[in-house]
Amino acid sequence: GAGVSQSPSNKVTEKGKDVELRCDPISGHTALYWYRQSLGQGLEFLIYFQGNSAPDKSGLPSDRFSAERTGGSVSTLTIQRTQQEDSAVYLCASRYGQGEAFFGQGTRLTVV
Amino acid sequence: GIQVEQSPPDLILQEGANSTLRCNFSDSVNNLQWFHQNPWGQLINLFYIPSGTKQNGRLSATTVATERYSLLYISSSQTTDSGVYFCSEDPYNNNDMRFGAGTRLTVKP
Repeated sequence: GAGVSQSPSNKVTEKGKDVELRCDPISGHTALYWYRQSLGQGLEFLIYFQGNSAPDKSGLPSDRFSAERTGGSVSTLTIQRTQQEDSAVYLCASRYGQGEAFFGQGTRLTVV
Repeated sequence: GIQVEQSPPDLILQEGANSTLRCNFSDSVNNLQWFHQNPWGQLINLFYIPSGTKQNGRLSATTVATERYSLLYISSSQTTDSGVYFCSEDPYNNNDMRFGAGTRLTVKP
């Protein structure tokens, strides 16, 4: 596609429910990244994919968080048994190799 | 671990003023990038600048990799320049893109 697309744009969920966040990277981009941004804060690294594999999962906050990437393209970030502290904007970025990175518009997650 | 420090953390300017934002690194600099996050949260890539100097309109950036820093210059600032400016780099040159804490810029009319 023309840009990085994330869905949904907004998600309100009840505490304890599972959520799936989706990222469609720019076509042909080999690397895909997930970050979390709380209100007024910086970008907290979660995970990145090189192709379909994730060399660095060290940023995932707990075992309730998981991510996968299929076909070297779409990625899904899953949060199980959501907690209120999971409320944040989840940002996805992609790039080709180690070049210029591009971000999606983010998914705003609110856990009530 | 690798430290990415941005300064200043906050900056308030009058429209028309110039400013310099800085990004320091504790180790080697790889694949340095500058981003602008607008007040609506969208992150825009300003520069991919692993070394040297680039210019784009009123903005320019310089990376001195041997001295482990990068500078972003904003000239004749406008209210639309407001937002947060982030730098990122790949620690250990392994494609693992990490960000500084950002500089929050407010340009007043």
